[in-house]
Amino acid sequence: NAGVTQTPKFQVLKTGQSMTLQCAQDMNHEYMSWYRQDPGMGLRLIHYSVGAGITDQGEVPNGYNVSRSTTEDFPLRLLSAAPSQTSVYFCASSFQGAVTEAFFGQGTRLTVV
Amino acid sequence: QQQVKQSPQSLIVQKGGISIINCAYENTAFDYFPWYQQFPGKGPALLIAIRPDVSEKKEGRFTISFNKSAKQFSLHIMDSQPGDSATYFCAARGGGYQKVTFGTGTKLQVIP
Repeated sequence: NAGVTQTPKFQVLKTGQSMTLQCAQDMNHEYMSWYRQDPGMGLRLIHYSVGAGITDQGEVPNGYNVSRSTTEDFPLRLLSAAPSQTSVYFCASSFQGAVTEAFFGQGTRLTVV
Repeated sequence: QQQVKQSPQSLIVQKGGISIINCAYENTAFDYFPWYQQFPGKGPALLIAIRPDVSEKKEGRFTISFNKSAKQFSLHIMDSQPGDSATYFCAARGGGYQKVTFGTGTKLQVIP
C-alpha cells in the first residue's frame, strides 16, 4: 500500500516552460487536492477534486490546471512556469472530503529560474 | 486574507517541557480543526483533531484546547521530546465546500 505518490521529487524549470506534476493514490479516496508550501505562508490550496471528472479552484489557482479522469490520479499542470511558482508542492487525498484525515505525498520541490 | 492565524512562528523548548502553539480563526462556519505534524522532507501527517462541540481532546502527550467563544484553539505537547522537533500546522475546515485552511506553521525545536 503506497499511499500518495508524487513524482518527480525535484524539478528545475526555465521561465515559460510547462510541466506536469504527477499524483497517484491507491486508497480509493474520493477527495484529492494540491497545495503549495512557501516559507511563512503555510499550505495554500491550489485545486481540489471531490471525485473523477469533478474539479474546483482553491485559494491560489492562477497558473495551474488540473484534471481528474480516474479516481487514482490527479495531475497538476503548470502552463507557463514563472519564478513565483517556485515552491514545494504537496498532493493530498482523503476518503470523505476534508472531513476525514488527509494523507499527503512526500512533495515536489520545484524551482523556476 | 489569513483566515487561520498561528503563533509563534518558531519555538524552542527544553526536553521535558511543555510546548504550546496557538491558533485563532475568524470564520464561524469552520467545523473541524485538525493539527498536522511535518518532519523535514516529508509531507504533513495528521496528529490530532477536534470538533467545536468539545473543549479539549487528549491523545497521549498531545492535547488540543478549544475555546469556541474566543475562536481560538491551541496544541499542548507535554513532556516534549527531541523527536517532537518538527513543523506543526493548525487547520480549519469549512468556509467553502470541503476546503481546509492551514495556519502558517510553527517550527518546534526540542533541545536536550
